Amino acid sequence: DGGITQSPKYLFRKEGQNVTLSCEQNLNHDAMYWYRQDPGQGLRLIYYSQIVNDFQKGDIAEGYSVSREKKESFPLTVTSAQKNPTAFYLCASSINIGGYGYTFGSGTRLTVV
Amino acid sequence: GENVEQHPSTLSVQEGDSAVIKCTYSDSASNYFPWYKQELGKRPQLIIDIRSNVGEKKDQRIAVTLNKTAKHFSLHITESQPEDSAVYFCAASKVGSSNTGKLIFGQGTTLQVKP
Repeated sequence: DGGITQSPKYLFRKEGQNVTLSCEQNLNHDAMYWYRQDPGQGLRLIYYSQIVNDFQKGDIAEGYSVSREKKESFPLTVTSAQKNPTAFYLCASSINIGGYGYTFGSGTRLTVV
Repeated sequence: GENVEQHPSTLSVQEGDSAVIKCTYSDSASNYFPWYKQELGKRPQLIIDIRSNVGEKKDQRIAVTLNKTAKHFSLHITESQPEDSAVYFCAASKVGSSNTGKLIFGQGTTLQVKP
């Protein structure tokens, strides 16, 4: 799906649970990103990674965690500390941190039940 | 840090009219300016980009202009069609061999094209 795959497409979380969103790319991109998008809102950066085994906090990192153990994979965990996790989550990757070849995944819609 | 301001936040035009979305950036070293289109419930997709060594780029009905002195760039859509209705995001970054900064997005513009 455009070289970057997010799963699942829909995810339901109970209060107090941690959930992990998957993001895999086969574009050989160095940089990967996670964004949160609320209805009618823009893109807010959660975490990003320029290279394997390295990542930095974005603008709204509280309540989220990531890992980058492989170049192809950048999973996002939404922890119980995130009090309002219901949103549309987009993963993206690019050739480098400057944004060439920026490609988004199809998104995961997370709902707290 | 780097900031990108996008205006207007919403834009409504009649089919066949032109639409213009404007963005300003704060870092004068920015040199890469892409535009993304996001249809409802879907992912943003790149529609056009421009680098700082050119002032204008066209692709069929869309064009982007860049004014480096004023630090602003604009998206122009001519002969708007209902399928152009979407959210549009501008972005800016600084790309270089030794000093590359991450892509910063504007807040988005919701474009509605009325039939």
